[in-house]
Amino acid sequence: NAGVTQTPKFQVLKTGQSMTLQCAQDMNHEYMSWYRQDPGMGLRLIHYSVGAGITDQGEVPNGYNVSRSTTEDFPLRLLSAAPSQTSVYFCASQVTGFGNTIYFGEGSWLTVV
Amino acid sequence: DAKTTQPPSMDCAEGRAANLPCNHSTISGNEYVYWYRQIHSQGPQYIIHGLKNNETNEMASLIITEDRKSSTLILPHATLRDTAVYYCIVLKTSYDKVIFGPGTSLSVIP
Repeated sequence: NAGVTQTPKFQVLKTGQSMTLQCAQDMNHEYMSWYRQDPGMGLRLIHYSVGAGITDQGEVPNGYNVSRSTTEDFPLRLLSAAPSQTSVYFCASQVTGFGNTIYFGEGSWLTVV
Repeated sequence: DAKTTQPPSMDCAEGRAANLPCNHSTISGNEYVYWYRQIHSQGPQYIIHGLKNNETNEMASLIITEDRKSSTLILPHATLRDTAVYYCIVLKTSYDKVIFGPGTSLSVIP
């Protein structure tokens, strides 16, 4: 998973608090995305971006905001944390073009109490 | 929704070949088939991808049927460390939304 860095790795939030999960990649990838993974479940796409200044919603965007001001960074903001947002969050990036590999970060474990 | 279907779980004896099937009957001509795996709660790991020809790398082989409606990932000599959830996805370009299905949970048994 070299090249995609997520911080923090672990976080505990109280209901109603806001926070930002950081994601950075140093591979000059245009495509970046955020997934959440609940226990025993697959990955669900939250938001994605195909380049700086361009973002779009995935499968489960409610309760999350994103922005993409630079190619390198794609932060995920929780506006008002809810227990249902307790999950593991993965950031990913991919080079443009056909048939290119997706690189994932190591994950951020978030617990909302 | 995911464009692929996979069996929810499979077992394989250690040292034997693990053959993981994937159905992608609606695949279009310029969509690639990718395989990833996820061990425990680590970030998904790339295994292999292909368009229409069979592919092989140091980790696995990918066999795509001639009509491209299904594929099989082959781990030639499965080890306990290959126990993981395996995801098959189809992608056209890097601008596609990458939707994962539930994958196949492979258990390699001693």
